[in-house]
Amino acid sequence: AQSVTQLGSHVSVSEGALVLLRCNYSSSVPPYLFWYVQYPNQGLQLLLKYTTGATLVKGINGFEAEFKKSETSFHLTKPSAHMSDAAEYFCAVSLYNQGGKLIFGQGTELSVKP
Amino acid sequence: DTGVSQDPRHKITKRGQNVTFRCDPISEHNRLYWYRQTLGQGPEFLTYFQNEAQLEKSRLLSDRFSAERPKGSFSTLEIQRTEQGDSAMYLCASSPNGGSYEQYFGPGTRLTVT
Repeated sequence: AQSVTQLGSHVSVSEGALVLLRCNYSSSVPPYLFWYVQYPNQGLQLLLKYTTGATLVKGINGFEAEFKKSETSFHLTKPSAHMSDAAEYFCAVSLYNQGGKLIFGQGTELSVKP
Repeated sequence: DTGVSQDPRHKITKRGQNVTFRCDPISEHNRLYWYRQTLGQGPEFLTYFQNEAQLEKSRLLSDRFSAERPKGSFSTLEIQRTEQGDSAMYLCASSPNGGSYEQYFGPGTRLTVT
């Protein structure tokens, strides 16, 4: 069965520091992987996606993620954190062989200290 | 380019009452999904439509829940005889046919059952 595990429910970084949010997945088919961001009392906004091809994918707001099949990982990074990056981040795997429904991780709350 | 919209944004109801939520997807998106999100958790899949056909329902969706998408455009989610455990954020997402199954989320409807 497909599943997603996000290591660390809460991550705190200083403004300007590297952001690293970890995601590991389990999938019986080649995965489609996504990162979403959620601000308080709002819906989810797509940050980036991996389907096929280049394993390093770039998204909005300076975020990027690398698909590593051997490690079953899809970690999200940003070289320099900004205060506006403070939010909840969700990693998800798409069951494209089941209509594309998403299986989400538990989420990681990112705090950015001034 | 309008995104996914949901109405109402907030709903407070008393236990035992029926509630109905509406979702308007991005125009021409064939697939529409409903998710439920409780505090501190990632969204959980409830059901999805391909045009007007409801193709899958999660076991989370008890008999008190029903969803429709009568003309393949907007969708409604009804909860009958609400219970306190139904309190959650209900998220709607839409996705274009084909492609990478990326989903675009609405702002959600927050339901509080008292």
